[in-house]
Amino acid sequence: QQQVKQSPQSLIVQKGGISIINCAYENTAFDYFPWYQQFPGKGPALLIAIRPDVSEKKEGRFTISFNKSAKQFSLHIMDSQPGDSATYFCAASFHSKLTFGTGTRLQVTL
Amino acid sequence: EPEVTQTPSHQVTQMGQEVILRCVPISNHLYFYWYRQILGQKVEFLVSFYNNEISEKSEIFDDQFSVERPDGSNFTLKIRSTKLEDSAMYFCASSAGTSYEQYFGPGTRLTVT
Repeated sequence: QQQVKQSPQSLIVQKGGISIINCAYENTAFDYFPWYQQFPGKGPALLIAIRPDVSEKKEGRFTISFNKSAKQFSLHIMDSQPGDSATYFCAASFHSKLTFGTGTRLQVTL
Repeated sequence: EPEVTQTPSHQVTQMGQEVILRCVPISNHLYFYWYRQILGQKVEFLVSFYNNEISEKSEIFDDQFSVERPDGSNFTLKIRSTKLEDSAMYFCASSAGTSYEQYFGPGTRLTVT
């Protein structure tokens, strides 16, 4: 199974709040899990990534939590800002082929 | 900071015509990719390319598609006879290795009329 399931489809968070986006996968051969941020009309920009031998990775306000046994991983955006409003895609990689989730449209309100 | 560039930003073509989308990957990267994104949908893998040959391709990448690295800097995607359903954003990406981060270009919006 090559699918990566992502939820929620859309998310509204107040400024300063925590945004949480979840992904699940089936293929245990996936060995790399990046998150991409995409603004309208732009290409996906790599945000943060994790490998399955690590349970958590933090970069600034962005944290990936990875649960290998549950085959789930999530993105947490702390202190969410209006500039974070974008579509977020999780992805999983095997042999360098990225399989993307369906995307989460995040809106951060004032 | 090095980045992937793509030209043109928007291409309009008639059904049945050939189009070539161009990409300049990051200079020291060795692996190159094409993805597409139909409006409002997820990004889908098309093909990966290394050492002047295709490493992997998806079921979308049929005989109408081809890729080429014509010189030391460009990487191209050719669609031989475009269909209406080929209308999408096409993204080029590159990486230093198979276990390394993939960096995406800004995309080419292809509109087939």
